[in-house]
Amino acid sequence: AQSVTQPDIHITVSEGASLELRCNYSYGATPYLFWYVQSPGQGLQLLLKYFSGDTLVQGIKGFEAEFKRSQSSFNLRKPSVHWSDAAEYFCAVGALWNSGGSNYKLTFGKGTLLTVNP
Amino acid sequence: DAGITQSPRHKVTETGTPVTLRCHQTENHRYMYWYRQDPGHGLRLIHYSYGVKDTDKGEVSDGYSVSRSKTEDFLLTLESATSSQTSVYFCAISVILGRRDYGYTFGSGTRLTVV
Repeated sequence: AQSVTQPDIHITVSEGASLELRCNYSYGATPYLFWYVQSPGQGLQLLLKYFSGDTLVQGIKGFEAEFKRSQSSFNLRKPSVHWSDAAEYFCAVGALWNSGGSNYKLTFGKGTLLTVNP
Repeated sequence: DAGITQSPRHKVTETGTPVTLRCHQTENHRYMYWYRQDPGHGLRLIHYSYGVKDTDKGEVSDGYSVSRSKTEDFLLTLESATSSQTSVYFCAISVILGRRDYGYTFGSGTRLTVV
């Protein structure tokens, strides 16, 4: 069964500092990987996704993530955090292993809450 | 962007009453999902659908049922609401074009309080 671990429940950074949010996944095949962001009281928005190819993927709002198969990781990074980045971040894994299959769904981590200090 | 709407946005109901939440999409995507979100638990899958009248259970399906009689609507029913079902409920659709998966698009959520 697929699973996702986000080791950090809560991270606090200063505005302008760099950020790395960790994500480790467990899946028996090549995964599709996603990062979502949720601002307070809002739904979830897709930040970026990895399917194949270049292991460094760029997303919206200046975020990027790197897929490392050997470490089963897909960490999210941003070089300089803005106060508006304060939110909860979710990593997710899935795979369309069977086109038209009945069992397709994403598995989410429990989230990392990011606080940004001025 | 895929259009997905949830209704109602907020609801307060009494213990023991049935409650139905609606998810509506406008673009005929095959897969639809219901999740609940609770502090410390992240998103947990309740039920999902992979086609009209084709549904399956997720990890926290007890006390919930679903129906999908047409592509665009996916209904979640709490047969007899309990306080443990107080939560924020999110509907999602999986945007898959060809063999490419573009991830989920989420609705805005329904905040349900059972008193």
